[in-house]
Amino acid sequence: EPEVTQTPSHQVTQMGQEVILRCVPISNHLYFYWYRQILGQKVEFLVSFYNNEISEKSEIFDDQFSVERPDGSNFTLKIRSTKLEDSAMYFCASREIGGAGETQYFGPGTRLLVL
Amino acid sequence: QKEVEQDPGPLSVPEGAIVSLNCTYSNSAFQYFMWYRQYSRKGPELLMYTYSSGNKEDGRFTAQVDKSSKYISLFIRDSQPSDSATYLCAMTMSYITLNQGGSEKLVFGKGTKLTVNP
Repeated sequence: EPEVTQTPSHQVTQMGQEVILRCVPISNHLYFYWYRQILGQKVEFLVSFYNNEISEKSEIFDDQFSVERPDGSNFTLKIRSTKLEDSAMYFCASREIGGAGETQYFGPGTRLLVL
Repeated sequence: QKEVEQDPGPLSVPEGAIVSLNCTYSNSAFQYFMWYRQYSRKGPELLMYTYSSGNKEDGRFTAQVDKSSKYISLFIRDSQPSDSATYLCAMTMSYITLNQGGSEKLVFGKGTKLTVNP
């Protein structure tokens, strides 16, 4: 069964450093998302991406964040200057064209720890 | 009022019990309702989704949506120890609303941690 994959599974970084989280969405999916989950809290929406542009972003997704689809298979989330409060589990999700959000499939996540 | 509310539990039941998990919401624009299962330190796994009001059954799982009460439920029959996980409700606006400037982001509940004891 096709699945969303994410790398790395864990990343530890120093405050102020840049990190890039990578995702490979399901191959025929065209809508891509990033969510995050701070330990013990809700899964929160960060950004949605379609047709090589951001379609929606939350207030969390400030200028420190960016997303990119550098090629036909990868989808990345970059945090330019990490802060302690960026420590969280980051999930990539994707869905196929047509239908609504009910078909968002999530990857296993990247656990980011900012020291 | 929080957009989606879910009792975090924890909920502990014996094997074979019927489990009832619930969420309430405040935004009447939500049209799609999902239940995800999340094992510790893993990604949410889609279990079921329902469009608008009504029931949907899949094996031991039944999802119910009551839009008039803004209340959704997930029932698990004959619960198994392997069902032990955190169950997240999530919801989003309809595709029509999306085309009219709505949102397709999933809004999650906090999750209910379920333990099924053998």
